[in-house]
Amino acid sequence: DGGITQSPKYLFRKEGQNVTLSCEQNLNHDAMYWYRQDPGQGLRLIYYSQIVNDFQKGDIAEGYSVSREKKESFPLTVTSAQKNPTAFYLCASSAAPNTEAFFGQGTRLTVV
Amino acid sequence: GESVGLHLPTLSVQEGDNSIINCAYSNSASDYFIWYKQESGKGPQFIIDIRSNMDKRQGQRVTVLLNKTVKHLSLQIAATQPGDSAVYFCAETTGRRALTFGSGTRLQVQP
Repeated sequence: DGGITQSPKYLFRKEGQNVTLSCEQNLNHDAMYWYRQDPGQGLRLIYYSQIVNDFQKGDIAEGYSVSREKKESFPLTVTSAQKNPTAFYLCASSAAPNTEAFFGQGTRLTVV
Repeated sequence: GESVGLHLPTLSVQEGDNSIINCAYSNSASDYFIWYKQESGKGPQFIIDIRSNMDKRQGQRVTVLLNKTVKHLSLQIAATQPGDSAVYFCAETTGRRALTFGSGTRLQVQP
């Protein structure tokens, strides 16, 4: 089955630790995205990548880092510099930036 | 389940009625628009999209209307069913930008 897989579904980390969220797609899409979702708000863009080995900051990139070494993978690292990391993180991909984005099922990160 | 949005505007309709969900956007250069449905604890699912060279597009039980003059987008759901209960987001983009999402509307369908 084609799609986007995010893992894990739930993640708990201690304050001050870095944590990496996985996102893999087998849709052969060039573009991939990371969004953050908090209660009462829509999705906010963290980072996006239009092609392998290239990525751009979104609206709330501070405290996050990404890599795009392979077309199918776009991992997101939440660093200790992120002041309020507890949120629902969504990864998406699209064939091109101006087309439908397909979303994974999300990772719920809780920092304790 | 997960809470998608505790303070979202809510539209409550009776099963079988038509629903209309509205969205305003600010970027007059936006040329591609999408509606997504998000159920609790899940990722958004594509419903329907429209490009700026169109005013209306229809799918199965859904219609999207675009008014570029007032920068307004609406989603109409015919014969709303309990399974339509979810949070609905509009999103827009132009050029090579990533999608920008609205804040969402919760649709509650009363049986």
